[in-house]
Amino acid sequence: DQQVKQNSPSLSVQEGRISILNCDYTNSMFDYFLWYKKYPAEGPTFLISISSIKDKNEDGRFTVFLNKSAKHLSLHIVPSQPGDSAVYFCAASRLGGNTPLVFGKGTRLSVIA
Amino acid sequence: KAGVTQTPRYLIKTRGQQVTLSCSPISGHRSVSWYQQTPGQGLQFLFEYFSETQRNKGNFPGRFSGRQFSNSRSEMNVSTLELGDSALYLCASSPWTGNQPQHFGDGTRLSIL
Repeated sequence: DQQVKQNSPSLSVQEGRISILNCDYTNSMFDYFLWYKKYPAEGPTFLISISSIKDKNEDGRFTVFLNKSAKHLSLHIVPSQPGDSAVYFCAASRLGGNTPLVFGKGTRLSVIA
Repeated sequence: KAGVTQTPRYLIKTRGQQVTLSCSPISGHRSVSWYQQTPGQGLQFLFEYFSETQRNKGNFPGRFSGRQFSNSRSEMNVSTLELGDSALYLCASSPWTGNQPQHFGDGTRLSIL
């Protein structure tokens, strides 16, 4: 049973446009969500996080939105750059709890120049 | 500040053998988690160690084991290797258990022949 789902395996976006990556979760106990970016032959790099007390968190070109009632979060990248081409993983956990991160299967983003 | 270091980067083994992977966390980080990444499966949690104690274990057979030393360095061991164990094994560290985000190493690519 997949608790964190990224239903789009891949996404292509033109440079300068907005990239929107989506993530759904089923476990209502999750209250902390993270996005990681992964380049080939490298480990995942933390991008941005959000706790359930907020519905939006921004960091430069990256914004994460959380819709708790829909159990849905999204990552917006504006404007998209070719260097953003990577696999993006959504992860969920319980902040401060003794629960490990649960990852989605990832979405491969390709930003076309 | 040095990142998470995993050794070796690449490893080739045959079925039935055993293997030990090593992880040195970021200095000062006391929690180390291990993940398995296979194509199309995202990152699956193996176990977490904190202060030399296993805090959490994922849904993997007993052939997968780990330990943590007093300097927070960690090793994971896989015995009686199977073809399906071929994967990228990632280690992540954080200052405290339940403290996110985790910082990942670049992984060990294990191939079973």
